This record gives sequence, structure tokens and C-alpha cells, in this order.
Amino acid sequence: QSALTQPASVSGSPGQSITISCTGTSSDVGSYNLVSWYQQHPGKAPKLMIYEVSKRPSGVSNRFSGSKSGNTASLTISGLQAEDEADYYCCSYAGSSTYVVFGGGTKLTVL
Amino acid sequence: QVQLQESGPGLVKPSQTLSLTCTVSGGSISSGGYYWSWIRQHPGKGLEWIGYIYYSGSTYYNPSLKSRVTISVDTSKNQFSLKLSSVTAADTAVYYCARGDYYDSSQFDYWGQGTLVTVSS
Repeated sequence: QSALTQPASVSGSPGQSITISCTGTSSDVGSYNLVSWYQQHPGKAPKLMIYEVSKRPSGVSNRFSGSKSGNTASLTISGLQAEDEADYYCCSYAGSSTYVVFGGGTKLTVL
Repeated sequence: QVQLQESGPGLVKPSQTLSLTCTVSGGSISSGGYYWSWIRQHPGKGLEWIGYIYYSGSTYYNPSLKSRVTISVDTSKNQFSLKLSSVTAADTAVYYCARGDYYDSSQFDYWGQGTLVTVSS
């Protein structure tokens, strides 16, 4: 059982928007603005898409955005494209004893 | 461009120690500002943070693995290593090394390609 809870799957049609939630606790997501999101295509290493809740690394499309409310962080992908089909993982700092926790991952299907 | 590359045996016997090394190129571990991390992914499952090390040698481990994990760094070779003792089949996974941000422990910006380690007799 992962420390952060994500839906197992989401789907959307090309051009639509989808949102993936990541629910933690007051010990991790709720206490720190240190939430990252990763995209992972089959057989590949994860790729950083969002850090510090809502910041995008250089080179990441502005179709990807992040937010947080209370103990839940969210990743929104707008203008869905076929290449967005992948697994997505959230990750949060969890304090000075647990340090880092990941979500269980969400499989995005572009219909 | 920073690159990370994992190396080590792909097959380990139960009860033995898994040992992997990550070689960093395009940047110096000694420059500071980053945690050097190990993360694993069980087949068909999600990501699990194992631990990380700072260039000074300070280490931080996942509490659930802490009793079996040792991460070390060799700045002269620009490498860091993972040892996981008393392995079982449950430790079969793809092991990734990654660079983590010093100020945001959840932020891993460069990853190795990953190496599959199978625990089997």
C-alpha cells in the first residue's frame, strides 16, 4: 500500500483535459509545498513533469499543470495528446523521519 | 547534461546482498546541491524510494528498508552505491539511481535507465 493515494486509472479523449489526484496526509502533502509529478512510459525511466506543486521544468509542455489543496495534490493535463498516455506518479516530501513517499501511480489512457 | 548509469549483477540469490553502483557523468557529485538517490519499482508496480546520500556521506533511508540498506559514495570515482542485505524474492525489482534536489526531496530530475535485479536461487 502506497503512502499517497492515486486513482488506478483515468482516461480522456484527444483534446480534452484530465485531472489526477494524489491524496496524502497532514504529515506529507498537507504540510509541505514539495510535491512532484512523474510521467513514465513503458520500459522507460520516470520523467519529472512538475515540482514544488506547480512548477514545470524546462522543456515540459505548459499543458501540464499542478495544484494543491489541503492534503490533496492534483495534476492536470489539458489538450490531451496520444503521447500523454503513460503512468503518472506523485511524490511528496514527508518530513525528517519518512523523507520521501510516492503515490501508487495512475495509468492514463488516451481514447 | 547529467547522466546516470546503474551497474551490477542482474541475479542475486536469496539471503545474499544486492550490490549496485551508479556512475554519474556530466556533473560532479562533490559539487553539492543534490541528494543521490536509489528508487526501485517492483514488476508492474509503483515506485518506492529506498534512500539517498549527500556528497558528504550523510544518508537518509526509507524506514521500511533501513535495517537492510546501506548507501555509500565515492566522490573520487563520481559514483554512489547501494547494498541491500538479506534479499528475498520480494526485492526483485527494477532499481533506478536518480539525482534529487537538496531543497526538495521529492524532486528527482535525472534518472538512470534502471536495472532489473532478480532474486532467485
